[in-house]
Amino acid sequence: AQKVTQAQTEISVVEKEDVTLDCVYETRDTTYYLFWYKQPPSGELVFLIRRNSFDEQNEISGRYSWNFQKSTSSFNFTITASQVVDSAVYFCALPSYNQGGKLIFGQGTELSVKP
Amino acid sequence: DTGVSQNPRHKITKRGQNVTFRCDPISEHNRLYWYRQTLGQGPEFLTYFQNEAQLEKSRLLSDRFSAERPKGSFSTLEIQRTEQGDSAMYLCASSSVRGGGGGPKNIQYFGAGTRLSVL
Repeated sequence: AQKVTQAQTEISVVEKEDVTLDCVYETRDTTYYLFWYKQPPSGELVFLIRRNSFDEQNEISGRYSWNFQKSTSSFNFTITASQVVDSAVYFCALPSYNQGGKLIFGQGTELSVKP
Repeated sequence: DTGVSQNPRHKITKRGQNVTFRCDPISEHNRLYWYRQTLGQGPEFLTYFQNEAQLEKSRLLSDRFSAERPKGSFSTLEIQRTEQGDSAMYLCASSSVRGGGGGPKNIQYFGAGTRLSVL
């Protein structure tokens, strides 16, 4: 069965600190994607990134970076020099492709960045 | 296209009443998904459509819930005889299996949700 675990329920940092959000997944698929979404207080889930299981190269986009390690079934997300606007709930998700690509979400990590 | 649109944003109803929510997906997207999210949890899948065909329903979707996508465009989610346990955020997402004008294929883009409160 597909499963995503985000063990960190809440994280609080001070602005400009770096912060890493953990995601551990379980799947029996040999090929799969992983996603990160951001949910600000307004409620809309905003797509951040999708990674393919074939590509374990770390990805950097501005202050965001992602570390995908198949050996530990982890897909961690780091925000460098955090800002107040980064405050949100972040979700890691795994699609179930034999079920129309429905997303299996983790419980989410609520990040609070204080000025 | 401005993205996935959901109406209403908020709905307050009394237990036992029927409610209906609407979702307008990104226009080129042929897949449409409904999820439910309760406080402090991640979204949980309810059902999805490819064009007008409803291809899967979760066990969460009791017989009081029905969803339609009559012409393969917008979708409605109706809850009959609402219960307090139905209080949640109902999220809609759409994606394209082909990619192209609607963005990369198989990425789900979400609306802002409809928050339902059953009193």
